[in-house]
Amino acid sequence: DSGVTQTPKHLITATGQRVTLRCSPRSGDLSVYWYQQSLDQGLQFLIQYYNGEERAKGNILERFSAQQFPDLHSELNLSSLELGDSALYFCASSPTLTENTEAFFGQGTRLTVV
Amino acid sequence: GIQVEQSPPDLILQEGANSTLRCNFSDSVNNLQWFHQNPWGQLINLFYIPSGTKQNGRLSATTVATERYSLLYISSSQTTDSGVYFCAVVRAGTALIFGKGTTLSVSS
Repeated sequence: DSGVTQTPKHLITATGQRVTLRCSPRSGDLSVYWYQQSLDQGLQFLIQYYNGEERAKGNILERFSAQQFPDLHSELNLSSLELGDSALYFCASSPTLTENTEAFFGQGTRLTVV
Repeated sequence: GIQVEQSPPDLILQEGANSTLRCNFSDSVNNLQWFHQNPWGQLINLFYIPSGTKQNGRLSATTVATERYSLLYISSSQTTDSGVYFCAVVRAGTALIFGKGTTLSVSS
């Protein structure tokens, strides 16, 4: 158990809908990262938050957004869902910034858009 | 951006065999991690190894940062070692960037 908790584990929804994925980082970790893993794109970095502030952006679509709350949990919001958004979404956390610290991943949320 | 290349892409072994997985990266890095993604999709930390050599049981890893590569050694492989092995690196100001992985299948 990495200590990073993601909910839900599985999600099935229809095209055009909006979903929210939740992540609780390891105790004491200030950084939260979101990644998308699809068959054709591999593991892609989406966005990073550090202590409530957006820190870095990767290949995140405009239909996607995220935030980190004062208690350090994070949510990834996916809207106007398309079939191609079906993927495994991971959250990771680290104590500070991954430049110098080890990141740990949650079990992922498997999203299926039908 | 930085490129991370892993080889081989696929590896098929008999139980008990040894293997070496390689990760090449195109620029200097601050951080390098190896992960194992098991058949259930979990990403499990193997090593945090920006430089040097580490060992954990049957697994060991070496990173030669000056030559921009890292190696993961698996000895006496077991069926539970099957899955995908990822190398991921960080440069200053970025998050972990993953390679495409090496898919390992170990048969009994």
